[in-house]
Amino acid sequence: QVQLQESGPGLVNPSQTLSLTCTVSNGSISSSSYYWSWVRQHPGKGLEWIGYIYYSGSTYYNPSLKSRVTISVDTSNNQFSLKLSSVTAADAAVYYCARAYGTNYYDMDVWGQGTTVTVSS
Amino acid sequence: DIQMTQSPSSLSASVGDRVTITCRASQSVNNYFNWYQQKPRKAPKLLIYAASSLQSGVPSRFSGSGSGTNFTLTITSLQPEDFATYYCQQSYSIPYTFGQGTKLDIK
Repeated sequence: QVQLQESGPGLVNPSQTLSLTCTVSNGSISSSSYYWSWVRQHPGKGLEWIGYIYYSGSTYYNPSLKSRVTISVDTSNNQFSLKLSSVTAADAAVYYCARAYGTNYYDMDVWGQGTTVTVSS
Repeated sequence: DIQMTQSPSSLSASVGDRVTITCRASQSVNNYFNWYQQKPRKAPKLLIYAASSLQSGVPSRFSGSGSGTNFTLTITSLQPEDFATYYCQQSYSIPYTFGQGTKLDIK
């Protein structure tokens, strides 16, 4: 079955750009049925939807982060990526990638294991 | 943004109990509504989509109901593996938003 795996630096300096990649295995990122999502969870807190991308490159972002977020897709490598600029301590969180079933109810049915990002100099 | 409010925030129950968690949306989300289960240090797991559809592989003791603004998740006959945190989510309007979570622990 489809699996997602996040990768990227676990430590980011304040004011720098956080960059994460999600690799999709056992399935195609170019499927017309799915949107590829990023969700984060601050320590001990709830879940925050960051945004998602369609294989064509169409993106949808959380307005609260829109000025700092870029999600991109690399269909040749079956990956999608998150960039979050000008990070502060408030961006320290566990970041998850997930698949949203676009031809259903945009429910996120497959998730990566999550990667912890710390913001510190 | 659509605000999602879960109740209770925490709940203690025993194995074999029936429990109900509710979620209220600040405006109608039709049935673009999902429930997730999260265990410590694990990713969320989809339980229910479209308010009442059971995700493949999820035990039938989980059920969801509701539409519009009021939704419930019911777990009949709690099992030890059900003790976790549960989140509701609306997927009707961007930004998709989650409830604050309901932590279900063992009494």
